[in-house]
Amino acid sequence: DQQVKQNSPSLSVQEGRISILNCDYTNSMFDYFLWYKKYPAEGPTFLISISSIKDKNEDGRFTVFLNKSAKHLSLHIVPSQPGDSAVYFCAASVSEKLVFGKGTKLTVNP
Amino acid sequence: GAVVSQHPSWVICKSGTSVKIECRSLDFQATTMFWYRQFPKQSLMLMATSNEGSKATYEQGVEKDKFLINHASLTLSTLTVTSAHPEDSSFYICSARDSSYEQYFGPGTRLTVT
Repeated sequence: DQQVKQNSPSLSVQEGRISILNCDYTNSMFDYFLWYKKYPAEGPTFLISISSIKDKNEDGRFTVFLNKSAKHLSLHIVPSQPGDSAVYFCAASVSEKLVFGKGTKLTVNP
Repeated sequence: GAVVSQHPSWVICKSGTSVKIECRSLDFQATTMFWYRQFPKQSLMLMATSNEGSKATYEQGVEKDKFLINHASLTLSTLTVTSAHPEDSSFYICSARDSSYEQYFGPGTRLTVT
C-alpha cells in the first residue's frame, strides 16, 4: 500500500507560467514533508520542505502548501523555467525514515 | 554544501557474482546513512538504515544476507549485493544524514546483472 502518492506521472507547462505538483499521503503520523528534484542517472536533490505544524513554506520561486485535513501537499513553482524540467519526488518523514512518491516528470517548454 | 559520492556509478556483473557499492560523505560526518533502491518509474524504496559502528536495520522484505551493509566509519558505508540475480538490477541510491538531520543523496549506482 503506497503511503505517498503522486497521481500525475507527468506535467507540461509553458515557461513563465506556474507549475503545480501534487502529492497525497495516507499516514497521519508523517511529521515532515519534503520535495526533491531528480535528473536522470542522478540522486535526488533537496528542494524545499515543510513541517506538519505549518501550512506554507516559501523559498524563492518555490512554495510548498500543506493541507493536513486533506492529507495533501503541493509544490508551486512560479515562474517556471526550462531548467526546472526534471522529475519531482514528494517524500514524507516519520521516525527519520523517508517514504517517497513515484515522482512527477515536469517539462517546462520555452 | 554537503556532498555524497557513490562508487561505482554504473556496474554490470554476471549472475551469481557479488557487487560492492560504496557511499561516502565527502565533507561531513554521517552517523547514519540510508540505502534506497529505485526500479524504473517507481519511487525510491528504503532498503536499510546504516548506523556507524552497529548493525544495519533492514526494512521488511529486504534480505539482510543478500544485501550486506557495512558502515565502518563516519564517512563510508558499503552495500554488497551477494549472489546477484537479474531481478536485482536496479538503481541503488544512498543518502547520508548530517548533524542537522538533513539527508543528502548520492548520485546513485546503476546495477545491471546479466
